[in-house]
Amino acid sequence: AQKITQTQPGMFVQEKEAVTLDCTYDTSDPSYGLFWYKQPSSGEMIFLIYQGSYDQQNATEGRYSLNFQKARKSANLVISASQLGDSAMYFCAMSDNYGQNFVFGPGTRLSVLP
Amino acid sequence: DVKVTQSSRYLVKRTGEKVFLECVQDMDHENMFWYRQDPGLGLRLIYFSYDVKMKEKGDIPEGYSVSREKKERFSLILESASTNQTSMYLCASSTPSLGREKLFFGSGTQLSVL
Repeated sequence: AQKITQTQPGMFVQEKEAVTLDCTYDTSDPSYGLFWYKQPSSGEMIFLIYQGSYDQQNATEGRYSLNFQKARKSANLVISASQLGDSAMYFCAMSDNYGQNFVFGPGTRLSVLP
Repeated sequence: DVKVTQSSRYLVKRTGEKVFLECVQDMDHENMFWYRQDPGLGLRLIYFSYDVKMKEKGDIPEGYSVSREKKERFSLILESASTNQTSMYLCASSTPSLGREKLFFGSGTQLSVL
C-alpha cells in the first residue's frame, strides 16, 4: 500500500526567505507520481508541482521546486522567496502508475510572517 | 474552463438519514475520487472509480458506498449517516496518463451530521 508522511504539522517562515516542507513516501511500485497541492483558507485545492519516479531532473515551477531523493523516498517541496500569500496548508500526494490510487499526507500548515 | 462541481457546499443531516453527495465533471475524465478531509489527518481516500460502473475501495470505505452510472457523475452515499461522518468531502477527477495527471478538485461539501 502507498503511504505519505509529512512530519511537520506547522511551519513558520519569514517573508522573502526560502522554506522546505518535508515529505516521505512508501510504495512498492517502481513507477509512481509525486504531487504537491496548496490549500488556502478558501478551501480550494491548488496543484503546485509534479515529479515522476523516473524523472532524472528535479521538477521546478516558478518559485516551487521539488527536491526528489528516490533512494531516501523523499520529495520535499522548496518554496523560494516566501510571500504572505503562501500561507496555507500544503499536501504531498502520490499516485500509482495509472493515476488511480491517489493518496495524500496529513499536510503541513505554513505561516509566512511579515 | 474545466470544472468539477459538487452539488452542495454545506449540508446538515440527522443521524440515520441516507445522504447523497453528488459530483459532476465536464472534462471527460476516466478517474473520479471521493475523499474526506479532517484536521490533522489530511485527505483520506474513500472510493475511486476508473470507469463507468467500476469502483475500488480506498483507505476508509466503511459506512460509504458509491455509484457511477455515467462517466461524468460520481455519487457518494452514506446509507445511514452517523456523527463520525461529519467532515469535509472532496470530489476529484483525472485522466490516466501513466500516473502523471494531476487531480482536479471540486470545492467541497461540508457535511454536518447531528
